[in-house]
Amino acid sequence: QVQLQESGPGLVKPSQTLSLTCSVSGGSIRSGDYYWSWIRQSPGGGLEWIGHIYYSGRTYNNPSLRSRLSISIDTTKKQFSLNLSSVTATDTAVYYCARYDITVTAGAGRMDAFDLWGQGTMVTVSS
Amino acid sequence: QAVLTQSPSVSGTPGQRVTLSCSGGSSNIGSNTINWYRQVPGTAPQLLIYRNNQRPSGVPDRISGSKSGTSASLAISGLQSEDEADYYCATWDDSLHGPVFGGGTKVTVL
Repeated sequence: QVQLQESGPGLVKPSQTLSLTCSVSGGSIRSGDYYWSWIRQSPGGGLEWIGHIYYSGRTYNNPSLRSRLSISIDTTKKQFSLNLSSVTATDTAVYYCARYDITVTAGAGRMDAFDLWGQGTMVTVSS
Repeated sequence: QAVLTQSPSVSGTPGQRVTLSCSGGSSNIGSNTINWYRQVPGTAPQLLIYRNNQRPSGVPDRISGSKSGTSASLAISGLQSEDEADYYCATWDDSLHGPVFGGGTKVTVL
């Protein structure tokens, strides 16, 4: 079955760029039925959608992060990546990659749900 | 500050029925379907309900969801110790052009 796995540094210095990659295994990343997404969860906090990318490369970003955010996709490697610049301690969080299902079913509409998640990776911003 | 509003906690005894609430506005719950996720601390969230009341395979029918206007509810019947977790509601927001979450409800089995 399809699995997602995040990878990247667990420690980033303030003002630097946080870079993470999500590898997709067991299925295709070239599907029009999904957005490939990033979500984060601060310690003891709730979930925050960061942004997502379609297989074509079109991106949709949370306006609160848009100026610092870049999401890209490499369909040949079956990976998508997150770059968040100028990080501060408030960017410390568990970062999840996830698959957002936008499948449309006749009579039921769009699925609109995160149906698959990576295990998450903790990123700490500290000097 | 989460876009959707959930009660911070709810508790019940084994076998009891508990209901979790989620409220939003016209640009999110009012015009889109709601999802619920269950998260055991230290693990990734898992989809519990989609399209307001649909269960993915493997989710028992004692878990049910509903939506009315700009609010939604998740009911857990026959509460079990394994139901202890954090539960998040989520939906698409037309103003944000992306998904939004509630702040989460912690379910405790007494």
